[in-house]
Amino acid sequence: TQLLEQSPQFLSIQEGENLTVYCNSSSVFSSLQWYRQEPGEGPVLLVTVVTGGEVKKLKRLTFQFGDARKDSSLHITAAQPGDTGLYLCAGAGKAAGNKLTFGGGTRVLVKP
Amino acid sequence: SAVISQKPSRDICQRGTSLTIQCQVDSQVTMMFWYRQQPGQSLTLIATANQGSEATYESGFVIDKFPISRPNLTFSTLTVSNLSPEDSSIYLCSVSQGLSTEAFFGQGTRLTVV
Repeated sequence: TQLLEQSPQFLSIQEGENLTVYCNSSSVFSSLQWYRQEPGEGPVLLVTVVTGGEVKKLKRLTFQFGDARKDSSLHITAAQPGDTGLYLCAGAGKAAGNKLTFGGGTRVLVKP
Repeated sequence: SAVISQKPSRDICQRGTSLTIQCQVDSQVTMMFWYRQQPGQSLTLIATANQGSEATYESGFVIDKFPISRPNLTFSTLTVSNLSPEDSSIYLCSVSQGLSTEAFFGQGTRLTVV
């Protein structure tokens, strides 16, 4: 069974501060995705990383895939209240078909 | 991306009854999945809904408790049967297309069992 551990579980920061969320596993994933979910809504895909060492930027969000494709990080620069939400990483393994393994989630609260 | 309509968005049900959740997609999709999520927590995959055949269930989930239908490539239902308070949760439908693992989700159904 492939497991993804996310840390921290909860982050509360002030507007303008930076934050990093980590997603770690002992398993290799063919790709890894990050989602953000707001209350009352389903998760929304932010990014997919597929290549070891890959770095992707989405405005103030920077996503990194580890060289060994076992871990990933999400860094938010100058966080804004609109970044508040539940952040989920999800990994796809070659043997799992289209099924995703989700991390435990990180609740982020950005206070104005 | 696909637009997914899930209903009901929430319901309060008596224990012992059943709730059927519908998931309608605006285009044909290859894969449809059903997840359970406790508020603020991660997602647990219940099953993969297979078009024209029985769903594939994950460990800990059985067809008698969570019957699933998928009559075509745009629609699926999940029934949560013989409800107990432990079934109170958010249930989410998701879809993916072709070989892609990128998932698109419905807005979820918040079930409360009393």
